[in-house]
Amino acid sequence: DAKTTQPNSMESNEEEPVHLPCNHSTISGTDYIHWYRQLPSQGPEYVIHGLTSNVNNRMASLAIAEDRKSSTLILHRATLRDAAVYYCILRATLLYSGGGADGLTFGKGTHLIIQP
Amino acid sequence: NAGVTQTPKFRILKIGQSMTLQCTQDMNHNYMYWYRQDPGMGLKLIYYSVGAGITDKGEVPNGYNVSRSTTEDFPLRLELAAPSQTSVYFCASNKDSSGNTIYFGEGSWLTVV
Repeated sequence: DAKTTQPNSMESNEEEPVHLPCNHSTISGTDYIHWYRQLPSQGPEYVIHGLTSNVNNRMASLAIAEDRKSSTLILHRATLRDAAVYYCILRATLLYSGGGADGLTFGKGTHLIIQP
Repeated sequence: NAGVTQTPKFRILKIGQSMTLQCTQDMNHNYMYWYRQDPGMGLKLIYYSVGAGITDKGEVPNGYNVSRSTTEDFPLRLELAAPSQTSVYFCASNKDSSGNTIYFGEGSWLTVV
């Protein structure tokens, strides 16, 4: 999986929008952009993913740059429960070939702090 | 909805002991994974499986073994536990290797003393 770059931490106020950036300049044409988050003492949970077009779901929106070299996770109205580590991950659409690793490659992510 | 279930949640092992972390999923997923997460770090892939009878090494497989005799179960075996294996272990699954969501268990906290 190609590498991503995220800020180590970000801080926002409750009930305000949050924009979490991710750079992935070496992304390939078959890489999906995935976002997961990990709340304290829990396993990661899926947030959103996309390939080329912007995506929306009940948790967040994903804005993907036209050249796909960066993306932004948008939390429209942050709550205290959104405080977590957010991981931006690239995942190739590959069939199993009998060698190499599959699954998501996690970096250190962005630690999002929400102030009341 | 059970999803991915891991046991035990907490365990303390002595150096040189062995143990098995159990993982089961009820979503009929083909792909299953074991990750470890050290404090302040991201997850690292230990082993994965694309279906019953098929397993492959991830980034950090040394000191671990896995098996996949059924679609539902993917146990992780630690042989001759070492302090370096003190970590949080997460089991995960997803339907296939495309852009589908990966579902994680709640984690197993292991301390080797």
